[in-house]
Amino acid sequence: GENVEQHPSTLSVQEGDSAVIKCTYSDSASNYFPWYKQELGKGPQLIIDIRSNVGEKKDQRIAVTLNKTAKHFSLHITETQPEDSAVYFCAAREDSSYKLIFGSGTRLLVRP
Amino acid sequence: GAGVSQTPSNKVTEKGKYVELRCDPISGHTALYWYRQSLGQGPEFLIYFQGTGAADDSGLPNDRFFAVRPEGSVSTLKIQRTERGDSAVYLCASSLRRGSAQYFGPGTRLTVL
Repeated sequence: GENVEQHPSTLSVQEGDSAVIKCTYSDSASNYFPWYKQELGKGPQLIIDIRSNVGEKKDQRIAVTLNKTAKHFSLHITETQPEDSAVYFCAAREDSSYKLIFGSGTRLLVRP
Repeated sequence: GAGVSQTPSNKVTEKGKYVELRCDPISGHTALYWYRQSLGQGPEFLIYFQGTGAADDSGLPNDRFFAVRPEGSVSTLKIQRTERGDSAVYLCASSLRRGSAQYFGPGTRLTVL
């Protein structure tokens, strides 16, 4: 089955700097990759997703890139703000499936 | 619009007791999922409903866990003879249809003493 690895487990950046979180997946059949932000005591919030027919997707300060050959995808947050501090999870899913397989999470701290 | 809602937000029970956790999906979403999240981990899939039927329950850890969605909307996750190892946050998600983006509720934190 699919296995998703995520790193780093923790990331501390200065406000205004960029943050990058990386994930690798094992199943070449996976072709949908969402990213979720989870704040303390809340459920995961979908922030951006990408399908495998696209190499990059942007939404304001957030972007995701996908390298199908290497089976890895990354989340890029530019001009970080203290409110970006949270745990971020990547996930992978086969298009014919429905289960999301999650990474272990990255705790992002943005220092003011 | 209203998102996925889950009740209760917190549930404390004693080992051996029975609990029910409820999920109200986003209106019109046909697919519903239950996941379990242990401390410091990503969510893990439990069960998926398409309409009223459980299309895949392969993630349920054992036969103490059961879920229903009798009218294709609200779902209830039922845990019998709870054990301390069942303590976790139980998350519900819904999507417009299978293959669409999944939106999560706030979760129910279950603590088994």
